[in-house]
Amino acid sequence: SQQGEEDPQALSIQEGENATMNCSYKTSINNLQWYRQNSGRGLVHLILIRSNEREKHSGRLRVTLDTSKKSSSLLITASRAADTASYFCATDNGDYGQNFVFGPGTRLSVLP
Amino acid sequence: SQTIHQWPATLVQPVGSPLSLECTVEGTSNPNLYWYRQAAGRGLQLLFYSVGIGQISSEVPQNLSASRPQDRQFILSSKKLLLSDSGFYLCAWGRGGKNIQYFGAGTRLSVL
Repeated sequence: SQQGEEDPQALSIQEGENATMNCSYKTSINNLQWYRQNSGRGLVHLILIRSNEREKHSGRLRVTLDTSKKSSSLLITASRAADTASYFCATDNGDYGQNFVFGPGTRLSVLP
Repeated sequence: SQTIHQWPATLVQPVGSPLSLECTVEGTSNPNLYWYRQAAGRGLQLLFYSVGIGQISSEVPQNLSASRPQDRQFILSSKKLLLSDSGFYLCAWGRGGKNIQYFGAGTRLSVL
């Protein structure tokens, strides 16, 4: 099964509102990352949070990590139409390996 | 700066025909290289990864193969395409220990 599972699968909000997406995983990790994908394009790395960190900020993005619950959340504040995309969490396999497991993603639609 | 090139952007192939997708990276040496497949509206499935020339690891049994003839070149191939090979193929590179992956723009393959 997927290591990372995003929730919700789809989210539709109005411009200016905040968007929150969640990710749950099953096994121990070293870090968790969030990526963004515009329709039909490659993924772009947004932010990485290490297992010993609880919260991280980057511009309008805020990521939290709760290793006891094996979950993470991505908050986008003051959303813009340009934030419309799919958002994926990715987890490593806990042994500093080379590979990640990506969840199925959350499709965010920000309506003007 | 580093860049990753992936081509072609779109490909339509008949069942039973061969496949060759190419990915090259510029501006870095000895990168880890990855091939992913993404079904419509879904997450990414890791197909192959490579930590060096001639070193290929396969994550899932399939009709595809990969090769790394040069340090910054990664090729995805098939001798005979199946309908189920249709999808969006993404190449990515990363550095061991850095744990961030950088993606190409993707190739949309339709097998008819």
